[in-house]
Amino acid sequence: EVRLVQSGAEVKKPGESLRISCRGSGYSFTTYWIGWVRQMPGKGLEWMGIIYPGDSDAKYSPSFQGQVTISADKSLSTAYLQWSSLKASDTAMYYCARPGERRRLNDAFDIWGQGTMVTVSS
Amino acid sequence: EIVLTQSPGTLSLSPGERATLSCRASQSVSSSYLAWYQQKPGQAPRLLIYRASSRATGIPDRFSGSGSGTDFTLTISRLEPEDFAVYYCQQYGSSPLTFGGGTKVEIK
Repeated sequence: EVRLVQSGAEVKKPGESLRISCRGSGYSFTTYWIGWVRQMPGKGLEWMGIIYPGDSDAKYSPSFQGQVTISADKSLSTAYLQWSSLKASDTAMYYCARPGERRRLNDAFDIWGQGTMVTVSS
Repeated sequence: EIVLTQSPGTLSLSPGERATLSCRASQSVSSSYLAWYQQKPGQAPRLLIYRASSRATGIPDRFSGSGSGTDFTLTISRLEPEDFAVYYCQQYGSSPLTFGGGTKVEIK
């Protein structure tokens, strides 16, 4: 079974750093892009960026460029989303998701992680 | 960046009725790379339609997608109780990939 399993909920203070993870299983992790999607409380979906674990090529939405870093460790079949200095406005659910076709960035997300809730509050 | 505008914001219908959801793009979506997702409270989104009109694996045939260029439609032919949810369109033809703001289908 193809799965993406994300790390658990986090509660952080403003200014703290954070890295959340997304582990893929049941498929060739290095040959599918993995994307990250933000959903702020009560709001819609926002595409943040995407990474190809095979060579760590990462692309970002202009809205998130410089605000987060997307990385991957292919030896662990895990992708990461990290912040160096969190803000209250980073409070949201974060999903990782995988496109349906091997090696294609431009494809719909057919596999989703369960989501990681990040709460940033003083 | 392609902006997707979904309408209406909320659709109030009864089970058995037909639902028609619209997604309009600010510029043409390349190769009809347009997807529709369903999201229920507390759940991750689920892919319904890709390439504007192809149903994803396991999606019932009451869901259908149509359109090209800048205008796309998701139709649910007869609403089942489990179809009441929020629906999002997404274009994946141009970077950055973008989502529409969503349409909530609620029980009337």
